[in-house]
Amino acid sequence: GDSVTQMEGPVTLSEEAFLTINCTYTATGYPSLFWYVQYPGEGLQLLLKATKADDKGSNKGFEATYRKETTSFHLEKGSVQVSDSAVYFCALAPGGGKLIFGQGTELSVKP
Amino acid sequence: DTGVSQDPRHKITKRGQNVTFRCDPISEHNRLYWYRQTLGQGPEFLTYFQNEAQLEKSRLLSDRFSAERPKGSFSTLEIQRTEQGDSAMYLCASSLEMGGAKNIQYFGAGTRLSVL
Repeated sequence: GDSVTQMEGPVTLSEEAFLTINCTYTATGYPSLFWYVQYPGEGLQLLLKATKADDKGSNKGFEATYRKETTSFHLEKGSVQVSDSAVYFCALAPGGGKLIFGQGTELSVKP
Repeated sequence: DTGVSQDPRHKITKRGQNVTFRCDPISEHNRLYWYRQTLGQGPEFLTYFQNEAQLEKSRLLSDRFSAERPKGSFSTLEIQRTEQGDSAMYLCASSLEMGGAKNIQYFGAGTRLSVL
C-alpha cells in the first residue's frame, strides 16, 4: 500500500546550518506531496506542497522538489534558525481524501 | 475565521468508559477528517466526511469507534468501551474540495485522550 518514510530524528543543528530532511514515498498513480510542521504545543500546519512531478514547493525559506524518478520529496533550508525547531512531517495524498504521513522528524536548532 | 476547533483539549477516562469528542471545521469547508496520532508517530487516517456523508473509513476504525457529521458542519467522534490502547491525540482537519482539486487540510490542535 501507499506509504511515506522519513529520516529518523532527532536532528540537531547549529543556527545558520544547512538542513535536509529526507522523505521517500511508495504510491500508485500520481499523489500530491506535502510537508507539514508541528511547533511545540501547536497543531499541524502546512509548510509546502507539490502536486506533480518536478514541481518545487517553497515557503519560509524551505524548499522541496517532487522527484518521481527517485520517489522522493526531501525538505531543505539553506540557513536554519532557532525558531525552526519543530517536528516535520512528510505526507502524501494518494487520491480520495486522506493524507498518509511519515513518522515525523524532530529538528532542534541550537543558537 | 478561527480555524478548526476541537473540544475538549484533554480527556482522562477510565478503561471501559465511553468518550465523545467534537470538531468544528472552518465554516465554509465541506470536508472533515479524523486522524489519530500516538507519541513519536505521524497522524494515521481514521475517516472523513464530505458534507454529511462519510466517504471512507480506515480499518483502524474498529466497531467501538463511530463518527458522525449530521448537518454537514461539526462532527463528533465517539469511542465506546475505551481501552488503554486508545490513548492518543485525536486530530481533526477540514478542507474545501472543489472540482477534484486537492485542497489543503487545516488541522485543529487535537484532543489528547488518556485511558487509565
